[in-house]
Amino acid sequence: AQKVTQAQTEISVVEKEDVTLDCVYETRDTTYYLFWYKQPPSGELVFLIRRNSFDEQNEISGRYSWNFQKSTSSFNFTITASQVVDSAVYFCALSSGYSTLTFGKGTMLLVSP
Amino acid sequence: GAVVSQHPSRVICKSGTSVKIECRSLDFQATTMFWYRQFPKKSLMLMATSNEGSKATYEQGVEKDKFLINHASLTLSTLTVTSAHPEDSSFYICSASIPDWYTDTQYFGPGTRLTVL
Repeated sequence: AQKVTQAQTEISVVEKEDVTLDCVYETRDTTYYLFWYKQPPSGELVFLIRRNSFDEQNEISGRYSWNFQKSTSSFNFTITASQVVDSAVYFCALSSGYSTLTFGKGTMLLVSP
Repeated sequence: GAVVSQHPSRVICKSGTSVKIECRSLDFQATTMFWYRQFPKKSLMLMATSNEGSKATYEQGVEKDKFLINHASLTLSTLTVTSAHPEDSSFYICSASIPDWYTDTQYFGPGTRLTVL
């Protein structure tokens, strides 16, 4: 069985602070994919990143960065110099083979000015 | 690329009526589409997987006769909530997947907020 845990239910930061959203996963498969999606107040889920289990290189995209560590089964997401527009619910998700996505419960990020 | 639309974005209906929600992949062909339901402040719950030209696969606990899914083309899937009741009020989100090696990436529509009075 697959499981994704996002232990942080809600995080509040002030603009320009860095923030890390945690994601821990469980799977018995050796090949799997991890995803992060952003859900702003409008409701639409926006695809942010996909990472396969063979690629542990960290990724940076602008103010976003992801740290994938197989040793701890974690795929954490860091936003540097947060902005109000980053306020959203962020979901981490896992997929093995052609199985359906397993979502975490989401972390609500509130960035205040 | 990878844009998915949903229509309508909001719908209010009376109890007992049926509501149809459309999900379209605008710039790609999707052999597989998914329908999710999301309650306030909750994660997404997969309702069914829809493959073009075949019957949808429903998750355990989802009533097939209540939530009718049709995937008539590679760019369109529809969800019909039949004889809607207030407990069916929810946020319904579809996604369409782009095939890739080993696993697909799902791209989500903007969602449809259904309110049943």
